[in-house]
Amino acid sequence: GQNIDQPTEMTATEGAIVQINCTYQTSGFNGLFWYQQHAGEAPTFLSYNVLDGLEEKGRFSSFLSRSKGYSYLLLKELQMKDSASYLCAVMDSNYQLIWGAGTKLIIKP
Amino acid sequence: IAGITQAPTSQILAAGRRMTLRCTQDMRHNAMYWYRQDLGLGLRLIHYSNTAGTTGKGEVPDGYSVSRANTDDFPLTLASAVPSQTSVYFCASSAGGPNTGELFFGEGSRLTVL
Repeated sequence: GQNIDQPTEMTATEGAIVQINCTYQTSGFNGLFWYQQHAGEAPTFLSYNVLDGLEEKGRFSSFLSRSKGYSYLLLKELQMKDSASYLCAVMDSNYQLIWGAGTKLIIKP
Repeated sequence: IAGITQAPTSQILAAGRRMTLRCTQDMRHNAMYWYRQDLGLGLRLIHYSNTAGTTGKGEVPDGYSVSRANTDDFPLTLASAVPSQTSVYFCASSAGGPNTGELFFGEGSRLTVL
């Protein structure tokens, strides 16, 4: 079966750096996506990786290793507004998105 | 309207009743999707539409139906609601077509079936 694993919950301190991991097993691979979802709100797109390596976008970076079935989302200079759930999703060989259950990130002052 | 609008925002429904969740987008996106989100689970695709006039089944289509009469509207119907359909429902669209994963989501419809 297809599977996306990510930690259920993480806690970090304001101003610090946090890394949210995602491992996947899917039928084929056509890209990996990270979304942010604040409580009670819609998910919003953060990043897309299809080739190995690091993609940087401001305070957020996303890394992909296709051979290891692994990605991480790196958040720097954490702000209270970064408290949210972060969803990892992989597009399989049929171009269907397979979603992880999300990682709830709690930021403490 | 800007983006995707869903209605209603929240609804409590008696089991056995029929319910239609509305979704309208003004971005002229071809591909649209309906997902349900349940605690502890990833988003699960119910139905999708790659373009007006076509629809397809996702991972959990049973008990749901959709139509896509035009580009903008993609309603989801529960013919006879059951308690297991209690969930938050998200409508989404994609600019690049069905083979892209950058989705734009509506604000969600929280449905409780008693």
